Order: sequence, then structure tokens, then C-alpha cells
Amino acid sequence: GAGVSQSPSNKVTEKGKDVELRCDPISGHTALYWYRQSLGQGLEFLIYFQGNSAPDKSGLPSDRFSAERTGGSVSTLTIQRTQQEDSAVYLCASSPYTYNSPLHFGNGTRLTVT
Amino acid sequence: AQTVTQSQPEMSVQEAETVTLSCTYDTSESDYYLFWYKQPPSRQMILVIRQEAYKQQNATENRFSVNFQKAAKSFSLKISDSQLGDAAMYFCAYRTRGNDMRFGAGTRLTVKP
Repeated sequence: GAGVSQSPSNKVTEKGKDVELRCDPISGHTALYWYRQSLGQGLEFLIYFQGNSAPDKSGLPSDRFSAERTGGSVSTLTIQRTQQEDSAVYLCASSPYTYNSPLHFGNGTRLTVT
Repeated sequence: AQTVTQSQPEMSVQEAETVTLSCTYDTSESDYYLFWYKQPPSRQMILVIRQEAYKQQNATENRFSVNFQKAAKSFSLKISDSQLGDAAMYFCAYRTRGNDMRFGAGTRLTVKP
């Protein structure tokens, strides 16, 4: 497809379970970002991938959160032992490397932890 | 810490009127880009306008324009002739050469008919 694709759109899980969120960026985009958006709030930076460089993980809130990007394309955000405070919309965005490029966002995954 | 501050959690404007959304930021970088994004209830983030920090001239896109004051680190968004479809959350953001991309907390804009 032409845009950033995220799956699933919605995910309901029980507290303590692990979840995986997927992001398929626009082809050719080397930069990929993950953000978390709590209800009615702003975007909280989680992690940034750029090509084959080591990712910037400075925004990950705890060691329960991890992410990988395979082959410089698809990325997976994993949350282990989910907690109710993890409930939020998780947004993925991609762009070309250059900093003057805007980010192109997916529609996000709404995660609800019960 | 590098931050973006949007001091107006909510704003309201009458249809066809003009509204200005405020944004200030703090970065130690000298070269960066600034962006305004719109997020309607559909959740999709839509680019509204962008501004290069080195350009003095304020960016304009149709009914949307910015007032960029680099020394004050201020980047406000003006929406002229407001339309019902402008109702959304608006986020201010900057992106540095190092690709650090940060967003403000957002301003919820309501447009009254």
C-alpha cells in the first residue's frame, strides 16, 4: 500500500499478557518512529530506527517494552506483562532520512489492557 | 531537555473567524524544522504546515499560516476563515538534524457553526 500500515487496529488483552504491535512503513523510508498517545494526550516518543544504525531507545518507559525492525522495513513493538497503564494508542510513523521531511503516520493500534 | 509546549489545551472559534494556536519549544540545535499536524477523530495524523528554522519568511498553506519567531522559540499557527472540518487536535512538533522528533501535548480546536 501507499501509506504506513499498522496492525491490529484494536487490541484488547488481559493484564500480564504479552502483546505485539506491527508497523509496515512506506517503502524506501529509512526512518521509523514509535509513539504512544494516551487518551486525549500528546505523543510520547518511544523509539526511533534509522537504517541499520542502532535504534534510539531513550523513550521506552520500562524494560517491558522492546522493538525491532527487520530488514530495515517492518517493525514490531512488543510489550511484555502488560499493565493497565499501558492502555493507549500506539502510533508508528516513517519518513525519508532527511530531517526536513514530515513523518507519515499509520492509523495506530488502540491497546486496551483489562 | 528538549521540549515543545502548547499552552492552550482547548480553543474555540466561530465558523469563518480566525484563530491562533500557540506553541513554544526549546532545543539546543540551531538547524531544525517545525511542523503543525492535525489529528481529527479518525486518529490519522495529517501534516498541516512546516517551517525551516533558517527561513525568515513565514510559511503559508492556503488558510493556514505560521508566525515563526526564532529568537523567542515561538511557532504559532493561524487558521483563517475557519471551517467545521478544521475541528481536531492540533500538534506542534520539531525535528532536528539528528532526527529527534518531539511533539507538544496538543490543542483541541472546536469550531462553532
